[in-house]
Amino acid sequence: EPEVTQTPSHQVTQMGQEVILRCVPISNHLYFYWYRQILGQKVEFLVSFYNNEISEKSEIFDDQFSVERPDGSNFTLKIRSTKLEDSAMYFCASSEEDRTTDTQYFGPGTRLTVL
Amino acid sequence: QKEVEQNSGPLSVPEGAIASLNCTYSDRVSQSFFWYRQYSGKSPELIMSIYSNGDKEDGRFTAQLNKASQYVSLLIRDSQPSDSATYLCAVTDGYNKLIFGAGTRLAVHP
Repeated sequence: EPEVTQTPSHQVTQMGQEVILRCVPISNHLYFYWYRQILGQKVEFLVSFYNNEISEKSEIFDDQFSVERPDGSNFTLKIRSTKLEDSAMYFCASSEEDRTTDTQYFGPGTRLTVL
Repeated sequence: QKEVEQNSGPLSVPEGAIASLNCTYSDRVSQSFFWYRQYSGKSPELIMSIYSNGDKEDGRFTAQLNKASQYVSLLIRDSQPSDSATYLCAVTDGYNKLIFGAGTRLAVHP
């Protein structure tokens, strides 16, 4: 069964460093998302992406964040200068169509630890 | 601010019983409703989706939606210890992003 994959599973970085989190969405999906979940808190939407551009972004997704689809399979989230409060699980998701009746499938997540 | 509210629990039920999980949402234009299961340290896993008022059954799971009351629920029949997890209610606001509740922790004891 097709699934969303994410690498790495755990990333440890120093405050101020740049990190890139990688995702391979399900192959026939057209819409891609990043969410994050700080330990003990809700899953929060960060950004959605379609047709090589951002569809929507949340207030969390400030200038430190960027997304890219560098090739036909990968979808990346870059954090330019990490802060302690960026420590969280980051989930990538994908869906087949931009209809609100469609389902988003989540990857296993990347645990980001900022020291 | 669009909100999805859930009782944090824990909801404790004996094995074989029915577990009832509830969720309310604030935005009347919400169109699609999802229940995800999340084990500790893992990603959300889709259990059920529901789009119309009424009940939708899938195996041991039944989702119920009442748009007039802005209420969605999940029933788990014949609960098993492996059902012990946090259940996340999520809604879409019409722009396809998911808005999650904080989740209800379910504990099924033998």
